[in-house]
Amino acid sequence: AQTVTQSQPEMSVQEAETVTLSCTYDTSESDYYLFWYKQPPSRQMILVIRQEAYKQQNATENRFSVNFQKAAKSFSLKISDSQLGDAAMYFCAFGALRYGNKLVFGAGTILRVKS
Amino acid sequence: NAGVTQTPKFQVLKTGQSMTLQCAQDMNHEYMSWYRQDPGMGLRLIHYSVGAGITDQGEVPNGYNVSRSTTEDFPLRLLSAAPSQTSVYFCASSRRTGTISGNTIYFGEGSWLTVV
Repeated sequence: AQTVTQSQPEMSVQEAETVTLSCTYDTSESDYYLFWYKQPPSRQMILVIRQEAYKQQNATENRFSVNFQKAAKSFSLKISDSQLGDAAMYFCAFGALRYGNKLVFGAGTILRVKS
Repeated sequence: NAGVTQTPKFQVLKTGQSMTLQCAQDMNHEYMSWYRQDPGMGLRLIHYSVGAGITDQGEVPNGYNVSRSTTEDFPLRLLSAAPSQTSVYFCASSRRTGTISGNTIYFGEGSWLTVV
């Protein structure tokens, strides 16, 4: 069975600073992908970034980037130049090709942004 | 293009009542699934479908039924509501692809259910 662990229940960052959210996972699958989702107070699930396991290059989306360490099964999210609008719950999620759109989620990290 | 639509958005039930959470998608997606979100636990898979007529159980299926009579709709039925089913419920859909790349998963906006 796949597991996803987010060891930081809460994180804080000063506006314009950089913060890194941690995620580790466990799997025996070879064809898989990883996601970071943002969930603001509205509870909407917003895809932040995705990483396919076969890609060696770390994914980036504007101010968001990941550090994907496949051997260590680590998938951290770095948010640069943090903005007040980044404050939300962030979920790390795992999916595998043969499981369709079944995802396994971590428990989440609440990110607070201080002005 | 409405994406994934969930109804109702909010519902209060009494213990023992039954109800159905509706989920509809207009993207002709084969895969659909239901998750529940509880504090401190992230989202957990309740039931899953790979196409019309085919459903399977997820991690926490007890107390819930599903059916998939059409590609578009995937309703979640609570047979006899219990306070433990108080949660936020999410429906999700995606295409059936043979590759990892481009498999985007779309989520509905969530349904808040309180059982008293």
